[in-house]
Amino acid sequence: GAVVSQHPSRVICKSGTSVKIECRSLDFQATTMFWYRQFPKQSLMLMATSNEGSKATYEQGVEKDKFLINHASLTLSTLTVTSAHPEDSSFYICSAWRNTEAFFGQGTRLTVV
Amino acid sequence: GENVEQHPSTLSVQEGDSAVIKCTYSDSASNYFPWYKQELGKGPQLIIDIRSNVGEKKDQRIAVTLNKTAKHFSLHITETQPEDSAVYFCAAANFGNEKLTFGTGTRLTIIP
Repeated sequence: GAVVSQHPSRVICKSGTSVKIECRSLDFQATTMFWYRQFPKQSLMLMATSNEGSKATYEQGVEKDKFLINHASLTLSTLTVTSAHPEDSSFYICSAWRNTEAFFGQGTRLTVV
Repeated sequence: GENVEQHPSTLSVQEGDSAVIKCTYSDSASNYFPWYKQELGKGPQLIIDIRSNVGEKKDQRIAVTLNKTAKHFSLHITETQPEDSAVYFCAAANFGNEKLTFGTGTRLTIIP
């Protein structure tokens, strides 16, 4: 069964609104989670590292004020896309490591209209 | 930082034949090399991985080889089946920071 659960699987929002995506580790604690973005027919690009109890670490070029990350518990990280625009439309995927293996959520297809 | 290159970008193989996908990496500190299969609209699924202290690993029809000196690793799928059709990504990471750097992906199509 799934080790990392992501919700929602798809969301459509209006331009200018905010959208929250949840990522949960099931049956294990994850002090660190990772958020990736994947544009159509492209690879996964790391956006940020979510750290439980502290600030997220963002990759170069990723706007931290636009992509808010909250890792409030050892099993939940959230990514909020604020003031979404059509160019933010993408497939967002979270990941957490258990032991020495990375597990991925099922992804969230965000469409901004 | 790490840079991972992957070839080919597309690959069509007759059912029953073998498929090979190759990746190179740049950071000699990387010590973990997983391969993922991604189906449309889903997150990546690990199919096999290899650590830097091993040169080859096999799991039924799937095998991975690693050449640390040349900094390249390859995925081999034998006796391909239609359900092997998907996009495959290689990746590299250092267990110390758990950051995966992905290759550009290979769209594998198995022709019945």
